[in-house]
Formats: sequence, C-alpha cells, structure tokens
Amino acid sequence: GQQLNQSPQSMFIQEGEDVSMNCTSSSIFNTWLWYKQDPGEGPVLLIALYKAGELTSNGRLTAQFGITRKDSFLNISASIPSDVGIYFCAGQDSMDSNYQLIWGAGTKLIIKP
Amino acid sequence: EPEVTQTPSHQVTQMGQEVILRCVPISNHLYFYWYRQILGQKVEFLVSFYNNEISEKSEIFDDQFSVERPDGSNFTLKIRSTKLEDSAMYFCASSESPSGTSRQYFGPGTRLTVT
Repeated sequence: GQQLNQSPQSMFIQEGEDVSMNCTSSSIFNTWLWYKQDPGEGPVLLIALYKAGELTSNGRLTAQFGITRKDSFLNISASIPSDVGIYFCAGQDSMDSNYQLIWGAGTKLIIKP
Repeated sequence: EPEVTQTPSHQVTQMGQEVILRCVPISNHLYFYWYRQILGQKVEFLVSFYNNEISEKSEIFDDQFSVERPDGSNFTLKIRSTKLEDSAMYFCASSESPSGTSRQYFGPGTRLTVT
C-alpha cells in the first residue's frame, strides 16, 4: 500500500531555534500539504504545495515540494512556544482518482524549557 | 472563515453499542470525508462521499461503519457495534471538489471512547 515516511518522530528544541522536518513517499504525489494539530483539535492546514520545486512561505514557515515529487520538507524559523504541537504531512497520489489524502505519522515538536 | 462543525465533542459508549457521529460540512461543499486518529498515531482515511454515495473507502471502513447525508446539512458516521479498538478521534472534512487544488477543511473532531 501507499507509504509516507515522516521524520523525525519528535524534536526537542530551544526557543528561537530553527526546525526542519520532512516526508518521503514511495510514489509520485501531485499535492503536498502540511498540517499542524494542537492537542484535542483537528488538523489545521499550514501550507499547500501543488507543483514540483514549489517553495512556499507562510510567516516563519517554509515548505518545498521536492523535484522528484516524492518528498517535501517544512522549516520553521526562530521557533516560539506556540509552535509546539504535532506537524503532519499529507499528500495526494497522482494516480489516485479519488484524491484521498495519505498522511504521515507526524512530528511532535517540543520546546525545551 | 467557514468551518466544519462536529458533535458531540466527546462520546463515551459501551462496547457493542451503536454510535452516530455528526458533522455539518461547509455549506457549498460537495465532497465529504471521515478520518480517524487513534491516540498518538497518524490520521487515517476512512471514507469519502459525493452525490449521496460512497466514492472510496479504506480497509478500516468495514461493515460496522456506514455514512449518510440525511438532510442538506448533516453528514453522519455510524458505527453499528462498537469495539474497544474503535476508540479514537474521528475527523470530518469537506471540500468544494475532489481535485488536488481543493483544500479539505477539517472539523475539530469527536473523541470516541469505547469502554
């Protein structure tokens, strides 16, 4: 079945540090999405990517759609306490006519006191 | 910004009981979805729904599950006879179209606890 690997599983960072996480798929995607989930809430879309090579920013967040269309990364610059949460990548397989979202397992971001 | 709403926020039920989770998608959206997230695990696709019928379903969505759009606004997920392993967050989502350029809007989720 479809595989989406997201890493790292968790990150312990100091406030102010930059953060980087990535996802790789076993097949070609035509869409990459990055979501953030706060405890007890639904995922909220951060950035959507639709073209290979696309680099998109949303405030301190930057995400890129890999050239091979099999990977994507999300960077957070100068982290702040409210960045804490779980970040999920999700994508749509170019061969899936129903456009289901396939989800990564998430990266848990923890800010060290 | 328009939002998807879900009720209840938390449902506790005994094993073997039927539960119905309710969602109100965004009013002009035509495509509806249910996802599940077992605590601490990734979000998993359950089913997509369009034009009053299921478009696609995953292997998780077995005969115990059903979906319905009983009126013009609600979209429901029914679990006929709950099992302990059905305990999870259930997220509803909706979109204008199924295309890759159409964002899926997620509801806040319903936490289902099966005891």
